[in-house]
Amino acid sequence: QITLKESGPTLVKPTQTLTLTCTFSGFSHTTSAVGVGWFRQPPGKALEWLALLSGDDDKRYRPSLKTRLTVTKDTSKNQVVLTMTNTDPVDTAAYYCAHRCSSTRCSVTDAFDVWGQGIMVTVTS
Amino acid sequence: SYVLTQQPSVSVAPGQTARITCGGDNIGSKSVHWYQQRPGQAPVLVVYGDSDRPPGIPERFSGSNSGNTATLTITRVEDGDEADYSCQVWDGSTDQGVVFGGGTKLTVL
Repeated sequence: QITLKESGPTLVKPTQTLTLTCTFSGFSHTTSAVGVGWFRQPPGKALEWLALLSGDDDKRYRPSLKTRLTVTKDTSKNQVVLTMTNTDPVDTAAYYCAHRCSSTRCSVTDAFDVWGQGIMVTVTS
Repeated sequence: SYVLTQQPSVSVAPGQTARITCGGDNIGSKSVHWYQQRPGQAPVLVVYGDSDRPPGIPERFSGSNSGNTATLTITRVEDGDEADYSCQVWDGSTDQGVVFGGGTKLTVL
């Protein structure tokens, strides 16, 4: 059974760096076929993709946020970490991580099939 | 940039059929995924690869994709289906990556 859980601060001051951790179980994040994505959803607004980290360390970022985002993994801890620099109140949102598999050997391919419960982050002075 | 357009809201009575659309330029050439999101909860994948259902998703949920429109169809709608539904594709052509539609609020009357 695949599970993911987000952790990190729920309150951040503007200009600070936000660091969120996604701790997962039930899959191995070591091949190019397996990825962990990060997303956010401001209150009352649509889902927004932030980053995708594949198990072979290939990284993709939302173009408009690319300069502010960094995603890394710690395979030994089954964790993926998202860092967002220079936060602003508009970054206030629920942040989610999710699992994705692009291999035909997976029961679900290419979509984000399992999501964490999310963490609400508020950026305010 | 690649844009996915969804109706803001759809309303249906219990037992009826709901159709939620997702418009995009030649979206029929892409693989479309659909997510259900109830208030305060994380998204749940209900259809992937245009028309496949993940394990545990009822057969009442189905999808299609052709031309410039993808459609999520929910038959025999139940009160528990009331939620926001979002479509998603991967846009490799413009390097945008993962793209979501704006979401459709399904209200069960």
